[in-house]
Amino acid sequence: EVQLVESGGGLVKPGGSLRLSCAASGFTFSSYSMNWVRQAPGKGLEWVSSISSSSSYIYYADSVKGRFTISRDNAKNSLYLQMNSLRAEDTAVYYCARDILAPADYWGQGTLVTVSS
Amino acid sequence: AIQMTQSPSSLSASVGDRVTITCRASQGIRNDLGWYQQKPGKAPKLLIYAASSLQSGVPSRFSGSGSGTDFTLTISSLQPEDFATYYCLQDYNYPQTFGQGTKVEIK
Repeated sequence: EVQLVESGGGLVKPGGSLRLSCAASGFTFSSYSMNWVRQAPGKGLEWVSSISSSSSYIYYADSVKGRFTISRDNAKNSLYLQMNSLRAEDTAVYYCARDILAPADYWGQGTLVTVSS
Repeated sequence: AIQMTQSPSSLSASVGDRVTITCRASQGIRNDLGWYQQKPGKAPKLLIYAASSLQSGVPSRFSGSGSGTDFTLTISSLQPEDFATYYCLQDYNYPQTFGQGTKVEIK
């Protein structure tokens, strides 16, 4: 069974840092591109970042470029999002997603990040 | 970045109604668009990819059409489990961009 389990969310002060993790199981993790998508409370979906299967290609939304870093460890079947210089507007549920907009599309249940003093 | 304009932002409909949601891209995106359904507290679920391809396991009452800049999601006969929020997403280029969402409510 395919599973994506996010962790690492929580309460952090503005300017602080947080590292999200996504543990993958039930499929060959190293064969798929992976993504982070977020959703602020009561708002719509926002694509955050994507990484190709071998980490050769990485993309970011303008809103997080220079502050967030996506990475993966195929040996550990894990995806990461290092978030620095956090702002109130980064408060959201962060979803880990496999191969979005493709037949293999699959999403985790999300982890909540709250940026507040 | 490509802007995706989705309409309407909300609609009220009855069970059995035919429902149409549109998404317009600020530039041509071929058929690089899909549709997601999201229910409260849940992760989005892919319904349609490549503008008109039905994701495995999705009921055939859902269909997608369009190419270039104008796209449509149609629910042919609305069912109680279809009351949710729907989003379009373009993957023609990065940054990938979502529409603002359409909330489908019970009339």
